Amino acid sequence: NAGVTQTPKFQVLKTGQSMTLQCAQDMNHEYMSWYRQDPGMGLRLIHYSVGAGITDQGEVPNGYNVSRSTTEDFPLRLLLAAPSQTSVYFCASRPGTNTGELFFGEGSRLTVL
Amino acid sequence: RKEVEQDPGPFNVPEGATVAFNCTYSNSASQSFFWYRQDCRKEPKLLMSVYSSGNEDGRFTAQLNRASQYISLLIRDSKLSDSATYLCVVNKRGYGGSQGNLIFGKGTKLSVKP
Repeated sequence: NAGVTQTPKFQVLKTGQSMTLQCAQDMNHEYMSWYRQDPGMGLRLIHYSVGAGITDQGEVPNGYNVSRSTTEDFPLRLLLAAPSQTSVYFCASRPGTNTGELFFGEGSRLTVL
Repeated sequence: RKEVEQDPGPFNVPEGATVAFNCTYSNSASQSFFWYRQDCRKEPKLLMSVYSSGNEDGRFTAQLNRASQYISLLIRDSKLSDSATYLCVVNKRGYGGSQGNLIFGKGTKLSVKP
């Protein structure tokens, strides 16, 4: 019962480096999303996808790219890491665009020095 | 007005107490409402959906007041294991695919003491 799998769980980057957070789900969910969680800010939506080949911006998309080439995978790319991107990142999926429980991965803790 | 607002707490209560969390939302077109629970350094997990008529799941009761745009969660007979942060969640009614996006409140932290 894998559900939503995120890798890596922990990462330290230097300012200006790039990296990709991987997310995969094995539940055949149409909808996938990335959130970041910061103290005092709650969960904020970065990007989301309603199906393979379709992505759109959430509340805080700047500095991040996503793609959805398959139903299962939804990677999040940080292009030029900045200290402001230090956060906990959660990938989440749900069966349909408007319905169903949102299932989260275990999170990826990113520190940008 | 923030889209979803919650009292941040913390709520410190003894075992066996009844505790209530409140939440307000700003978009009157929102259609789906949930309470999620998040344990320390873990991912959020669905606690319960909130229905218009109110609903109960064991010691947990959720209520929705659409006129006031207000959601509540009542926990009766608190257990130590109820200690967590409780997140109020509302769907965002936008255009196109964004309609299903969920907006999370900042959460209310509950600590149940022996």
